[in-house]
Amino acid sequence: SQQGEEDPQALSIQEGENATMNCSYKTSINNLQWYRQNSGRGLVHLILIRSNEREKHSGRLRVTLDTSKKSSSLLITASRAADTASYFCATDEGSSYKLIFGSGTRLLVRP
Amino acid sequence: DGGITQSPKYLFRKEGQNVTLSCEQNLNHDAMYWYRQDPGQGLRLIYYSQIVNDFQKGDIAEGYSVSREKKESFPLTVTSAQKNPTAFYLCASTGAGDTQYFGPGTRLTVL
Repeated sequence: SQQGEEDPQALSIQEGENATMNCSYKTSINNLQWYRQNSGRGLVHLILIRSNEREKHSGRLRVTLDTSKKSSSLLITASRAADTASYFCATDEGSSYKLIFGSGTRLLVRP
Repeated sequence: DGGITQSPKYLFRKEGQNVTLSCEQNLNHDAMYWYRQDPGQGLRLIYYSQIVNDFQKGDIAEGYSVSREKKESFPLTVTSAQKNPTAFYLCASTGAGDTQYFGPGTRLTVL
C-alpha cells in the first residue's frame, strides 16, 4: 500500500537555489519522516515531525506538516551539489513499527 | 563502530536457486525490517520483526522467508518462488524511537 506520494518526481535546480518537495498521504498519522538516499545506498533519516507539530527546522532543512490537507513539504535552502539525492517521505499507520514510503523525489543540484 | 551491515553488496542468482541476504545490527534495536526497492521506486515492506523469534509479513512477502533467532540478525531468503527477484534490498532497524536506521543494501540480480 502506498501512503506517501512525493511531488515532483524529479527536480533540477542550480546550486544556491532552494528546493521544495511535497508529500501527500491518505490516512491519519502519528508522525511523518523524511529520508534521503544517495544513488545505490541506504536511506538516511533527515527529520521527523509529529502530527501535533506544524513546522520543524534542522540546519538548512525546513519541514511543514498540514494534517488537514494530509500533506507535508521539505524545503532545502541554499542547495549544494552534495544535496543531489532522492528524498522520500514516510508515514506510520498508527503503529510505530511500520513505515510506508512514498516513491520519492529525485533532486539534481547543478554546480 | 555501531550500525547495520548487509552482505553481500552484490549477489547473483540463477533461476530456481534460493539465496540468503544477511543483515546484522549492533544497535541493540528490537525491531528489524526488510524492504525491496525497484529502480526509480520507493520502498516496499517485505517482512518485519518486532522481537526475537517473532516476525510478520509485510506488503510483498510472497516468495520470501525470514528468521529472527538472534536480536542482532535478521536474514532474508529469496526463494525460487519469487518470480522477479532482481531488485535492491534494504534492511533497517528501529530502537525506542520511530526513526529507522538503514544498512547499505544488497543488489540482487537474477542471471
